[in-house]
Amino acid sequence: GENVEQHPSTLSVQEGDSAVIKCTYSDSASNYFPWYKQELGKRPQLIIDIRSNVGEKKDQRIAVTLNKTAKHFSLHITETQPEDSAVYFCAASRYRTSIQGAQKLVFGQGTRLTINP
Amino acid sequence: GAVVSQHPSWVICKSGTSVKIECRSLDFQATTMFWYRQFPKQSLMLMATSNEGSKATYEQGVEKDKFLINHASLTLSTLTVTSAHPEDSSFYICSAKAWVEATDTQYFGPGTRLTVL
Repeated sequence: GENVEQHPSTLSVQEGDSAVIKCTYSDSASNYFPWYKQELGKRPQLIIDIRSNVGEKKDQRIAVTLNKTAKHFSLHITETQPEDSAVYFCAASRYRTSIQGAQKLVFGQGTRLTINP
Repeated sequence: GAVVSQHPSWVICKSGTSVKIECRSLDFQATTMFWYRQFPKQSLMLMATSNEGSKATYEQGVEKDKFLINHASLTLSTLTVTSAHPEDSSFYICSAKAWVEATDTQYFGPGTRLTVL
């Protein structure tokens, strides 16, 4: 089955600097890669996702890149702010273009990001 | 849109009792819901996939007789922890698949913190 490895487990950056979190996956059939942000005691929130037919996707200060050949994808946060401090999870799955059924997400181990003022 | 609720948000029970947790999709129909548990400072561990109108699919190592899942309607799935013990204390989170822009997006509930005394 799919296995997702996430690094680093903790990351501390100065406010305004960039943060990069990397994930690798094992199943070459995976084609959907979401990133979730989870604040302490709260639900994971989807912040960005990418499908395998795209190499990069950007949404304001957040971007995700995907290298299908190497089977890794990364989250990039620029101009970091204190409210970016949280735990970030990457995930991988095979999505279906069908309402019936859904493929499960396999999560990475998480990265605790701390933004220092 | 795509809001998922859980009830209760927290519960404390005595060892040996059963606890039921509800997961509802409030503004969309969810043919598939997922149940996760999360220990402190750890990733989300998928317990089972709940499909409306059929039996749940459990992940390896998850006891189906201990964690009963019922998905009787397109907006409600329930997880019952039977004969709970202190080691079952955890944060239980559900997610529901939403059909958004042809992606297999999952939206998470706020979680239920279970403490077994």
